[in-house]
Order: sequence, then structure tokens, then C-alpha cells
Amino acid sequence: AQSVTQPDIHITVSEGASLELRCNYSYGATPYLFWYVQSPGQGLQLLLKYFSGDTLVQGIKGFEAEFKRSQSSFNLRKPSVHWSDAAEYFCAVGNTGNQFYFGTGTSLTVIP
Amino acid sequence: DAGITQSPRHKVTETGTPVTLRCHQTENHRYMYWYRQDPGHGLRLIHYSYGVKDTDKGEVSDGYSVSRSKTEDFLLTLESATSSQTSVYFCAISDNRGNSPLHFGNGTRLTVT
Repeated sequence: AQSVTQPDIHITVSEGASLELRCNYSYGATPYLFWYVQSPGQGLQLLLKYFSGDTLVQGIKGFEAEFKRSQSSFNLRKPSVHWSDAAEYFCAVGNTGNQFYFGTGTSLTVIP
Repeated sequence: DAGITQSPRHKVTETGTPVTLRCHQTENHRYMYWYRQDPGHGLRLIHYSYGVKDTDKGEVSDGYSVSRSKTEDFLLTLESATSSQTSVYFCAISDNRGNSPLHFGNGTRLTVT
């Protein structure tokens, strides 16, 4: 069975500091991996995705994520956080049957 | 942004009443999904559809039914709403490619009193 774990429920960072959000997945085959961001009252927006190839993927808004098969991880990073990055972030895993499983999310607070 | 419209955006209803939420897409995508979002649970799949009249259950399907009579519309029905179904409901779509991501609507906030 597939599952996604986001160990950090809530993270607070200072504006301009670096950010890393953790994501671990469970899936028997090569996974399709995604990060989404949700601003209050909005739907989820795709930040980036990994299917195959280069394990470091670039996304929108300056985010990147690295796939590490040995650790079953797909952590999201940003070198310098902006106040507008405050939101909830979701990691998801998909399979070849077009089924998707989400983590419980990490809420990011950015302090000035 | 993907053309996904959810209606209504907000609804308050009483326990025991039927409720139908609508999702309409203009992308001609094959797959459509209904998720519910609750604090501490993330997004949980209720039902999904892989074509017209083809649907299947997700992990939290009890108390919900769905119908898809046209490619563009996917309806979620709560036959007899309960307070535990108070939630934010999201529709999502995906095309036929196995590695296609989900694209989400803006959600429907349902309150059952």
C-alpha cells in the first residue's frame, strides 16, 4: 500500500532563511512524487513533480526537491523564504493507476 | 490554471438532508476525484472516476455516492448529511497519462448543523 508521511506538522522560519520540508513515502515501484502548496481558502497548486531522471527537480516560486530512493524521501527546499511562502504544503505520491495519496501537510509560518 | 469549477463554494445544511456538490471541468480529462480535507488528516480520497459512468471508492467512501454522466461533470452526493461530514471538499482532475499530476478546484466548504 502507498502512503506518505510528513513528519513536521508546523514549521516556523525567519524571512530570508532557508527551508526544508520533509516527505517520506512508501511505494513498491518507482513513484510519481509531487509537492503542492495551499494558501488559506484556496485549492492546491502544484509546485513540482518527479517522475524519472534527474533526482533534483526544480519547481515554481524558487522551490526544488530531491528524490532519494535509498531514504524513500522527497524533501522540498528553498534557499531563501519570502513572507508570501507562508502556506500549507502537501507531499503526494501517485501510481500508474492514476491514484494519489497525500501526506497530512506541513504548515509554514514565516516571521519577519 | 486548469478549468475546474466547484459549486457551491459554501453550503450550510442540516443533519439528515441530502446534499449534492458539483464539479465541472473544461479540460476533457479522463480522471476526476473527490477529496475531503480535515485538520490533521490532509486530503483523503472519497471517490474517483476513470470515465463516464466508471467510478470507484476511495478510502473514506461511506455515506457518499457519486455520478458521472458526462466527461465534464462529477457529482458528489451525501444522501443524509451528518455532522462528521462537515469538511472542505475538493474536486481534482487528471488526464490519461500515468504520470499526470492532479489539478484542483477551489473547494466547497460544507457545514452540517
